[in-house]
Amino acid sequence: SYELTQPPSVTVSAGQTASITCSGNKLADKYACWYQQRPGQSPVLLIYQDNKRPSGIPERFSGSSSRNTATLTISGAQAVDEADYYCQAWDSNSLYVFGTGTKVTVL
Amino acid sequence: QVQLVESGGGVVQPGRSLRLSCAASGFTFSIYGMQWVRQAPGKGLEWVAAIGYDGNNKFYGDSVEGRFTVSRDYSKNTVYLQMNDLRAEDTAVYYCAREKPYGSGNYPFDHWGQGTRVTVSS
Repeated sequence: SYELTQPPSVTVSAGQTASITCSGNKLADKYACWYQQRPGQSPVLLIYQDNKRPSGIPERFSGSSSRNTATLTISGAQAVDEADYYCQAWDSNSLYVFGTGTKVTVL
Repeated sequence: QVQLVESGGGVVQPGRSLRLSCAASGFTFSIYGMQWVRQAPGKGLEWVAAIGYDGNNKFYGDSVEGRFTVSRDYSKNTVYLQMNDLRAEDTAVYYCAREKPYGSGNYPFDHWGQGTRVTVSS
């Protein structure tokens, strides 16, 4: 089965840049998306198709993908960005696959 | 605006059944695939089931295959998840989500419900 691996946690100082990685075999051949889940809330789509933002998502969130890794970047992190972040991709065998999740802490 | 409202969760004994509902509004229900995703306490997101826009294509995660059934009612704009032979490991918050297809292999979930909690315990 297809797997997506993320670091369990990332810590960033307010105003600085945080990068969250998502690793999977030949991930760049698939479309990655990212979700934010604040404590006690439902997930929200942040990035789709590797690097596109749905309307209403702040520009400080951006995505990229290369070879086996997709990356979510938060530029100028804010306290409200403290949340869990999940990547996701579609695989022809495993279908809808979520990453293991990353907890972001903003100091 | 798009709204997805789940219901039907609760406490159920192992081996019993439960049916979850997801009422959709604010969009043309008949042209979107729908999803169920769950999250066990303190754990990450796990995809559970998918149903195509026309109701003909249904897919399941390995952990629920053969026990769960997804369906949809176009007259009620509602998606269902019939869960049979429930196990302790099925304990989770169950979310309904809309799938936005952008092309082959490109199916993000662009709207989510608030979730409904299922607890399987004797």
